[in-house]
Amino acid sequence: DIQMTQTPSSMPASLGERVTISCRASQGISNYLNWYQQKPDGTIKPLIYYTSNLQSGVPSRFSGSGSGTDYSLTISSLEPEDFAMYYCQQYDSSPNTFGAGTKLELK
Amino acid sequence: EIQLQESGPGLVKPSQSLSLTCSVTGYTITSGYDWSWIRKFPGNKMEWMGYISYSGSTNYNPSLKSRISITRDTSKNQFFLQLNSVTTEDTATYYCARGAWEHDYWGQGVMVTVSS
Repeated sequence: DIQMTQTPSSMPASLGERVTISCRASQGISNYLNWYQQKPDGTIKPLIYYTSNLQSGVPSRFSGSGSGTDYSLTISSLEPEDFAMYYCQQYDSSPNTFGAGTKLELK
Repeated sequence: EIQLQESGPGLVKPSQSLSLTCSVTGYTITSGYDWSWIRKFPGNKMEWMGYISYSGSTNYNPSLKSRISITRDTSKNQFFLQLNSVTTEDTATYYCARGAWEHDYWGQGVMVTVSS
C-alpha cells in the first residue's frame, strides 16, 4: 500500500493567517490526490480532487498543488469555520489510502 | 440533494459480526458511481474498506478481504456493510460515501464500539 505522510499533525494558527498542510506519498501518485475536511461534529466535506481542483461550493481561499510524491493544501486567509481536521488521500493505486490528518487549531 | 445516512448498532461484541446500512436519497445507486465504506479509528487514522459498484461488483481492501462483505438492496436504494469476527480494533466511526476513489458525498458517520 502507498503510505501518505501528512505534516504537521497539528497546527495552531490565527484568523486571517495563511497556512499550508503537506502530504508526501511513499511513491509517485501522478496527481491522484484528494483533500477532505472533517468538522468537530464528524461531518466530512470533500475540498479538492486531483491535486488542485476545487469541489463545488468550496471557497477560493482553498487551493491545492503538487506533483510526484509531494502535495500541499493551502488556505490563504483562515476563517473561523476552517478550524478542523484535514486529510489527504491518494487514489493512484488500490487500496486508496489516507494521511494521518492535520488538526488546524485556533492559536 | 444527494444524502447518505448510516445506521446500525453502536455496540457489537467481540467475535460477532458488525452490520451497517447506508441509505441513499437523491440519487439511485444503480445509475452510476461506486459506493464505499470508510472508517475512522480513534486517533484519527482513516481506512477505505471497500465498495460496491453501480452494477453490483465489489472491491475490498485486502487487509479486510476475508472478513468483509458489501451488498445492496436496490429496491430500497441501500447498501450494506458486514464485517465478521470483529475485535476491539474494529472500534471506529464508519462512513458510507459515494465514489471508489474520489468520495464526493459522505454520510454523517456512525460510531461502533466493539466491547463485551
